[in-house]
Amino acid sequence: QSALTQPASVSGSPGQSISISCTGTSSDSSDVGDFKSVSWYQQHPGKAPRLIIYDVNTRPPGVSNRFSASKSGNTASLTISGLQTEDEADYFCGSYTSNFTWIFGGGTKLTVL
Amino acid sequence: EVQLVESGGGLVQPGGSLRLSCAASGFSFSSYWMSWVRQAPGKGLEWVAYISQDGSEKYYVDSVKGRFTISRDNAKKSLYLQMNSLSAEDTAVYYCVRVDLQKWLLRGWFNPWGQGTLVTVSS
Repeated sequence: QSALTQPASVSGSPGQSISISCTGTSSDSSDVGDFKSVSWYQQHPGKAPRLIIYDVNTRPPGVSNRFSASKSGNTASLTISGLQTEDEADYFCGSYTSNFTWIFGGGTKLTVL
Repeated sequence: EVQLVESGGGLVQPGGSLRLSCAASGFSFSSYWMSWVRQAPGKGLEWVAYISQDGSEKYYVDSVKGRFTISRDNAKKSLYLQMNSLSAEDTAVYYCVRVDLQKWLLRGWFNPWGQGTLVTVSS
């Protein structure tokens, strides 16, 4: 089961927008490419992950509308607009697969400069 | 408020066993798939296992098949993970997670997550 590929780190200044990509292997249909079920999780240091996006681009109640997401081909993307210091965290993408398993990206560390 | 509280983690020797528990509250436990997800120190997330609402379906990541067993007790609103033949590679924080899943539509996500319990395998 291959992982999804994310950049190790991204950074931005307060007020700016950043995007984090999540790419599945194009030869493997059982990941982000063919399915709607891509989700994103935010994790602050020492804390449990928190769901911030599901079904590619849907925010759960209570999640800021500064978080948005999309998918094109075998790449999903999370965009955070109007960066705030509290957005500094690790971000993981995840996907349910046709093998009835889950895979995650390796995670992206967001630094707000 | 939905709450998931894990317990049972600790230090165990290689080859040893440990049983994790997760107490759920604030939602209809028997209506949801449930899962364990782990995170090795400084590493990413790894899905470990998940179980259907009535316990009849169970799925495991390849690396734990034959060693770990996921189970649940709906009357007690509890999820369990029996871990045998532990190795250093199993050292991680183990999270209990509720799963929103429409299996045959291949739609699923993890929400919410417990605070996690640390399992350390070391001699």
